[in-house]
Amino acid sequence: GENVEQHPSTLSVQEGDSAVIKCTYSDSASNYFPWYKQELGKRPQLIIDIRSNVGEKKDQRIAVTLNKTAKHFSLHITETQPEDSAVYFCAAANTGTASKLTFGTGTRLQVTL
Amino acid sequence: DADVTQTPRNRITKTGKRIMLECSQTKGHDRMYWYRQDPGLGLRLIYYSFDVKDINKGEISDGYSVSRQAQAKFSLSLESAIPNQTALYFCATSDLGRDQETQYFGPGTRLLVL
Repeated sequence: GENVEQHPSTLSVQEGDSAVIKCTYSDSASNYFPWYKQELGKRPQLIIDIRSNVGEKKDQRIAVTLNKTAKHFSLHITETQPEDSAVYFCAAANTGTASKLTFGTGTRLQVTL
Repeated sequence: DADVTQTPRNRITKTGKRIMLECSQTKGHDRMYWYRQDPGLGLRLIYYSFDVKDINKGEISDGYSVSRQAQAKFSLSLESAIPNQTALYFCATSDLGRDQETQYFGPGTRLLVL
């Protein structure tokens, strides 16, 4: 089955700096890579996703990049703000067989003032 | 997202007790999932169902069972609870269609097994 590794487990940045979270996956058949954000005490929510036919996707201050050859993808947050503080999960799925997500272990991002 | 609800929100039980966690959704989605979240381990899939007559094991199904009573309801049971089942449990749903991969999570049930 799919295995997703995520690093770092914790990340602290100053407000205004950039943050990068990296994930690797094992199944070359995976073709869908979402990122979920979980604020303290809340449920995970999708913030951005990328499919294997695209190398990069941006949405305002967040972007995701995908390297299919190396089987890794990354989340980039620019101009971080205190409200970006949360746990971020990457995930991978093969939509051709079943839309079943395999999640990484999460990264706790702390944005300090 | 008020469209996916879970009951109870918090539960304390004792080792050996049977407990049921319930999930309901008004999104009209066909697919439903149960995950558990543990610190440092992320979200791990317990069971999932793609329609009322479909039940599939996830990566950590041992000690759990599920029932899909209707399209809108998916229950998770712990037949004989043990302390290492103490965790935060999430139900999620997704649609069958264009946006099928996006999962919508419920608010979670915090379970403590003594």
